[in-house]
Amino acid sequence: QKEVEQDPGPLSVPEGAIVSLNCTYSNSAFQYFMWYRQYSRKGPELLMYTYSSGNKEDGRFTAQVDKSSKYISLFIRDSQPSDSATYLCAMSLFMDSSYKLIFGSGTRLLVRP
Amino acid sequence: EAEVAQSPRYKITEKSQAVAFWCDPISGHATLYWYRQILGQGPELLVQFQDESVVDDSQLPKDRFSAERLKGVDSTLKIQPAELGDSAMYLCASSGDGSNQPQHFGDGTRLSIL
Repeated sequence: QKEVEQDPGPLSVPEGAIVSLNCTYSNSAFQYFMWYRQYSRKGPELLMYTYSSGNKEDGRFTAQVDKSSKYISLFIRDSQPSDSATYLCAMSLFMDSSYKLIFGSGTRLLVRP
Repeated sequence: EAEVAQSPRYKITEKSQAVAFWCDPISGHATLYWYRQILGQGPELLVQFQDESVVDDSQLPKDRFSAERLKGVDSTLKIQPAELGDSAMYLCASSGDGSNQPQHFGDGTRLSIL
């Protein structure tokens, strides 16, 4: 079993829809939670960075963390075709004197015009 | 916005050849990371530097991979000899000082081994 599980998709939605992307994890030592967006042939771009359980909002994006259930989500409101990309969740834990970042395998999102 | 610079963007080479990738992190970022990303998977850490020192290279295949950051700024990752299974995207990231600062990635080098 992987430490971080993420549905690979693809997830196809019409423009304007609310998108929900999710990850589950098994290690309760994870402390920080991130969402990255990766366009084809590009590097991951940091979207959201959270520490505590609860919600964090930034424009059309909302990150949700539920540490008790070991579950994180990213919601995208009013989705646009430009949101079509792969979304990677990532989590960090302190190990061997430094923080290690563990990624999910990514969910491909396609927003249809 | 400051960026992590990587070159080349694409590299095609034959197996058994040597290949090198270069990374220039965001100015002032002391921590530098090299990741490998296979298509359809998330990035996996190969090596982590704090300034010029290696902090973690436990996942670096040291029989063929080497990494250096001589002056604590830019870094080079080398593979010799390259194998077919090395075909992947090689990503560089950097982060600033402080506890668990977020990592910022470059656009990577896509390596194809023939």
